Amino acid sequence: TQLLEQSPQFLSIQEGENLTVYCNSSSVFSSLQWYRQEPGEGPVLLVTVVTGGEVKKLKRLTFQFGDARKDSSLHITAAQPGDTGLYLCAPVMNRDDKIIFGKGTRLHILP
Amino acid sequence: DTGVSQDPRHKITKRGQNVTFRCDPISEHNRLYWYRQTLGQGPEFLTYFQNEAQLEKSRLLSDRFSAERPKGSFSTLEIQRTEQGDSAMYLCASSLTIAKNIQYFGAGTRLSVL
Repeated sequence: TQLLEQSPQFLSIQEGENLTVYCNSSSVFSSLQWYRQEPGEGPVLLVTVVTGGEVKKLKRLTFQFGDARKDSSLHITAAQPGDTGLYLCAPVMNRDDKIIFGKGTRLHILP
Repeated sequence: DTGVSQDPRHKITKRGQNVTFRCDPISEHNRLYWYRQTLGQGPEFLTYFQNEAQLEKSRLLSDRFSAERPKGSFSTLEIQRTEQGDSAMYLCASSLTIAKNIQYFGAGTRLSVL
């Protein structure tokens, strides 16, 4: 079982600030997914990164997969209150049929 | 189709009672998954079905838990003799087999055991 760490656990910042959250492991992954979960809802898939070193952008969100495919980061530029939520990373192993989630980073953007 | 739907959204029960949750997946999805999420944690896998066959069960799924998908469409998750430690959000997700890592989640059923 891979050890998956997300950091920080909690982050509260002012609207307009930038932030980065991290997902780290000692294992190599086939690919990695990032989800956002809003209160009272299920997780929603944001992106899947596949290639080591890959960078994907989704509006103000930038996702990067580490060169060794063991870690990933999510950078949010000019955070907005709508970005509030639980950000979960989930490594993908092609042999698995289930998703293994990290504990998540709970992000709160203050207006 | 509006996505994965779960019923009820909230359930409050007394310890020792049985509860049953329902999940209706996206109609063309042949895979259906159940996860459990407690406060401060990410969702944890419980079990999944491909059509009506239950293919994998987590060790988290004790003997008091049973899941069914009799016709390969909707699924039910039953918890017998509930305990306070069963209090959690129970999430259902569905996918196509050919895109098993693209799972669509329902809004969950929040269970509170008093």
